[in-house]
Amino acid sequence: DADVTQTPRNRITKTGKRIMLECSQTKGHDRMYWYRQDPGLGLRLIYYSFDVKDINKGEISDGYSVSRQAQAKFSLSLESAIPNQTALYFCATSDEQSGEGRYNEQFFGPGTRLTVL
Amino acid sequence: LAKTTQPISMDSYEGQEVNITCSHNNIATNDYITWYQQFPSQGPRFIIQGYKTKVTNEVASLFIPADRKSSTLSLPRVSLSDTAVYYCLVEPDSGAGSYQLTFGKGTKLSVIP
Repeated sequence: DADVTQTPRNRITKTGKRIMLECSQTKGHDRMYWYRQDPGLGLRLIYYSFDVKDINKGEISDGYSVSRQAQAKFSLSLESAIPNQTALYFCATSDEQSGEGRYNEQFFGPGTRLTVL
Repeated sequence: LAKTTQPISMDSYEGQEVNITCSHNNIATNDYITWYQQFPSQGPRFIIQGYKTKVTNEVASLFIPADRKSSTLSLPRVSLSDTAVYYCLVEPDSGAGSYQLTFGKGTKLSVIP
């Protein structure tokens, strides 16, 4: 089974609808992230969480909200979807080792392709 | 937020060594450098990470000069399966306050038979 799973894998919705994307991980990592990727562009950070009680805005958080229900689950919500939120969304996890020899490898899920009509 | 600049695309023949250079002029003291690989419709996959000098693992090497304003990912003897987009990231110290991370547009590597 995959270490990082995302549901749904594909979703088509209409403008103004509320939608939730879910991410689950079995790696036991404390850190979780949500990114979006637009065609031909790199990934941009939407929100991140370093533990269950920690939520932080990323570069492009407007129009999105998140919930960290448990160490293993991190959900992304679009309260009122708009067409320019059409994108590929990725969840990732990591468990940074701090201090000397710091190391932070992010593990990504398979992505959710979201289309807002 | 340290900005990175990479070539948009590169071509290479199978079996050659490929070097992809990334510029990050405003890297901060505690930032470190990470490279990811991404295939179409898949999430990025970690390749290598380093802070200074040279780091080598089973798939790549990372060269970082003393001023750390650039870094070079070296892929030895590429194969067709190495055709992908390669992203250079400058990662901040997550304990130093705001943690912002941007992948940039990456370098599309095409390996030719």
